[in-house]
Amino acid sequence: GAGVSQSPSNKVTEKGKDVELRCDPISGHTALYWYRQSLGQGLEFLIYFQGNSAPDKSGLPSDRFSAERTGGSVSTLTIQRTQQEDSAVYLCASSRRTEETQYFGPGTRLLVL
Amino acid sequence: DQQVKQNSPSLSVQEGRISILNCDYTNSMFDYFLWYKKYPAEGPTFLISISSIKDKNEDGRFTVFLNKSAKHLSLHIVPSQPGDSAVYFCAAMSYGGSQGNLIFGKGTKLSVKP
Repeated sequence: GAGVSQSPSNKVTEKGKDVELRCDPISGHTALYWYRQSLGQGLEFLIYFQGNSAPDKSGLPSDRFSAERTGGSVSTLTIQRTQQEDSAVYLCASSRRTEETQYFGPGTRLLVL
Repeated sequence: DQQVKQNSPSLSVQEGRISILNCDYTNSMFDYFLWYKKYPAEGPTFLISISSIKDKNEDGRFTVFLNKSAKHLSLHIVPSQPGDSAVYFCAAMSYGGSQGNLIFGKGTKLSVKP
């Protein structure tokens, strides 16, 4: 079946603007994760959704970052008042259940000017 | 402080030879380890995993070794092929925990030369 998809694939924005990044997980996957990869860094966990439970937001770097998951499927990561240090590749992953293998989308490359 | 460390940012190997990628971790609660491969402009793809109850897992040309006492794991690729050239990320998690997020290393860029 189809894999994890993300949109847009690339986003260039000006400092201070808000951006929304979208993730469509694999159908039937109950767990959804957001990570980001900054230049020269490893993948950094941001937020995790499991079913209808409250999300684990422990990885969000600041209160400018938020995410929601509607209907247990599509997720949107929102970054308000973007800063240059937010420039990174934002990756979404999903898994059938928490403990199972995570499958990643292609990522959204965000550049904040 | 990094909980998962890949101390070699890059590795160059001749085609047909063995590639050995190393990973160290500090958190003793980690009990499940994975390797992901990432090509440029693509998301990471799952390669192989190992549970802490094992010390070796093999899948074709790929073998992962786990040394729990040393908190060290390694990925062996043999024989290496040019198509293996990619960035390899080591990741760890607490399998039995309530969270599922992976903790990743910074990656090792493998170049396999023909």
